[in-house]
Amino acid sequence: EVQLVQSGAEVKKPGESVKISCKGSGYSFTNYWIGWVRQMPGKGLEWVGSIYPDDSDTSYSPSFQGQVSISVDKSISTAYLQWNRLKASDTAMYYCARRSDDYYYYMDVWGKGTTVTVSS
Amino acid sequence: DIQMTQSPSSLSVSVGDRVTITCRASQSVSTYLNWYQHKPGKAPKVLIYGASTLKSGVPSRFSGSGSGRDFTLTINSLQPEDFATYYCQQSYSSPSCSFGQGTKLEIK
Repeated sequence: EVQLVQSGAEVKKPGESVKISCKGSGYSFTNYWIGWVRQMPGKGLEWVGSIYPDDSDTSYSPSFQGQVSISVDKSISTAYLQWNRLKASDTAMYYCARRSDDYYYYMDVWGKGTTVTVSS
Repeated sequence: DIQMTQSPSSLSVSVGDRVTITCRASQSVSTYLNWYQHKPGKAPKVLIYGASTLKSGVPSRFSGSGSGRDFTLTINSLQPEDFATYYCQQSYSSPSCSFGQGTKLEIK
């Protein structure tokens, strides 16, 4: 079964760092882009950025460039989303999703999401 | 950046209704337009890709149309399980992409 398994909920204070993960299984992890999508409380979906595990090629939304870092460890089929200095406004649900290899590049497999809560 | 604008942002509807949601791109995205359904506590799920292709396993009451800048998602004979939030997404600029702001279907 193709699946993405995300790490558990995080509760942090402003200024702290955190790294959440997304582990792929059931497919050739290195050959599919992995994207990260944010959903703030009561708000819609926003694309954060994506990474291609085979060569770590990365693309970020301008809204998130410089605010987060996306990385991958292909030896363990895991992608990461990291913050060095969290802000309260980073509080959200974060989903990872696989970009299909179909011509239209939709997100075909999603993780269940990781909640990040930033509060003093 | 390609901006996606959905309308309406919410819709109060009844079981059995026909629902139409529109999505407009700030520039042409050809048919690189996908529709997702998102329910609280669940991961989003793709319904339509390539503007009009129904994802395998998705009920045929869902359909999509459009090309260029203007797109439509139609749900015929709304079922109780269809109450959710729907998002369009352009993948024309993949790996970059962008979502519409969502349309929430609420029970009238």
